Amino acid sequence: QKEVEQDPGPLSVPEGAIVSLNCTYSNSAFQYFMWYRQYSRKGPELLMYTYSSGNKEDGRFTAQVDKSSKYISLFIRDSQPSDSATYLCAMIPYTGNQFYFGTGTSLTVIP
Amino acid sequence: DVKVTQSSRYLVKRTGEKVFLECVQDMDHENMFWYRQDPGLGLRLIYFSYDVKMKEKGDIPEGYSVSREKKERFSLILESASTNQTSMYLCASRDRGDHEQYFGPGTRLTVT
Repeated sequence: QKEVEQDPGPLSVPEGAIVSLNCTYSNSAFQYFMWYRQYSRKGPELLMYTYSSGNKEDGRFTAQVDKSSKYISLFIRDSQPSDSATYLCAMIPYTGNQFYFGTGTSLTVIP
Repeated sequence: DVKVTQSSRYLVKRTGEKVFLECVQDMDHENMFWYRQDPGLGLRLIYFSYDVKMKEKGDIPEGYSVSREKKERFSLILESASTNQTSMYLCASRDRGDHEQYFGPGTRLTVT
């Protein structure tokens, strides 16, 4: 079993839709949870990170962590064509150097 | 702004060649990483380094080696390239204690 599972999609939504992206994980030692966005032919860039359980909002993006269920989500409100990218979840234990990534979900927002 | 640069965006090599992929970061980060990214498999860690001359194997180190002689530079070496090493290679750096990894643009390597 992989440490981090993520539905690869692809996901295709109309502009303005609410998008929900999810990851599950198995290692209860993970404490920091991140979402990276990767545009085609570019390296991933950090979009959001959260520590432990709870919600964090940044503009149209909300990251949610439920440690009891080992489940994290990223919500995108009022999705735009510029949100079309691959979204990768990542997590890391409280102490440690290795990041654990999901396989990424490919999202296309259709104008 | 943190900048991570990789020596080539696209590279074509022949089976059996020795291949060097170079990565340079300009923010004095202690940690540097090499990943490969393949469709359906996501990012897989090959090696990482937490200091000069220090290295640790990641999940898929077989067929690769690394070198970190200076803090800003982390090299990935394919001793004898094989077709199954055709992939996108991503370098990243991270400041100790930071939660963010900064990625380079990637090198798309094709081994024929």
